[in-house]
Amino acid sequence: DAGITQSPRYKITETGRQVTLMCHQTWSHSYMFWYRQDLGHGLRLIYYSAAADITDKGEVPDGYVVSRSKTENFPLTLESATRSQTSVYFCASSEDNSYEQYFGPGTRLTVT
Amino acid sequence: GDSVTQMEGPVTLSEEAFLTINCTYTATGYPSLFWYVQYPGEGLQLLLKATKADDKGSNKGFEATYRKETTSFHLEKGSVQVSDSAVYFCALSDRGYQKVTFGTGTKLQVIP
Repeated sequence: DAGITQSPRYKITETGRQVTLMCHQTWSHSYMFWYRQDLGHGLRLIYYSAAADITDKGEVPDGYVVSRSKTENFPLTLESATRSQTSVYFCASSEDNSYEQYFGPGTRLTVT
Repeated sequence: GDSVTQMEGPVTLSEEAFLTINCTYTATGYPSLFWYVQYPGEGLQLLLKATKADDKGSNKGFEATYRKETTSFHLEKGSVQVSDSAVYFCALSDRGYQKVTFGTGTKLQVIP
């Protein structure tokens, strides 16, 4: 299906484990973003990417790693998960010259 | 830095009531302003936008006017429906970046 998809939709992991959240978009949008959503904080930008092989830090990048080898994929890795990383994670994309962002359905991550 | 402040919720209204959700912003340049809506269990989707002062964005009966003099972008709807129950996010994008700064969200509950 066309659009932006995230997997898994739900994930429970233990402290210290590595976990990767996947994001795939079919529009060939240049820009992709990762946000986390927490009560009282709204959405906070973790990392973003302007194109394949170009990534940059957002507001809260510590503890996360991203890569973008292909335009359509933008995985987010928690190298050693902590309880403070329990959150809902949203991936988004946008075209060049447009501020409208298109969001995926989110991944609810629980770190125990 | 850029910031967005919106009224805390939740806001509970009866069906057909008038809705106002306040939003003010701080930005160094001339930002574009947005309202996004998040329905339960879904990602955010763009509701409306305005790109310059005095512009009015509108969609699905919702309206917001870009007021540079008061740095505000309040969301209004004349008659809400139960299906409007969602979380509403005010946001801005500034300085030519593709990045968007979001407010903390306001939950709206409409009761029959």
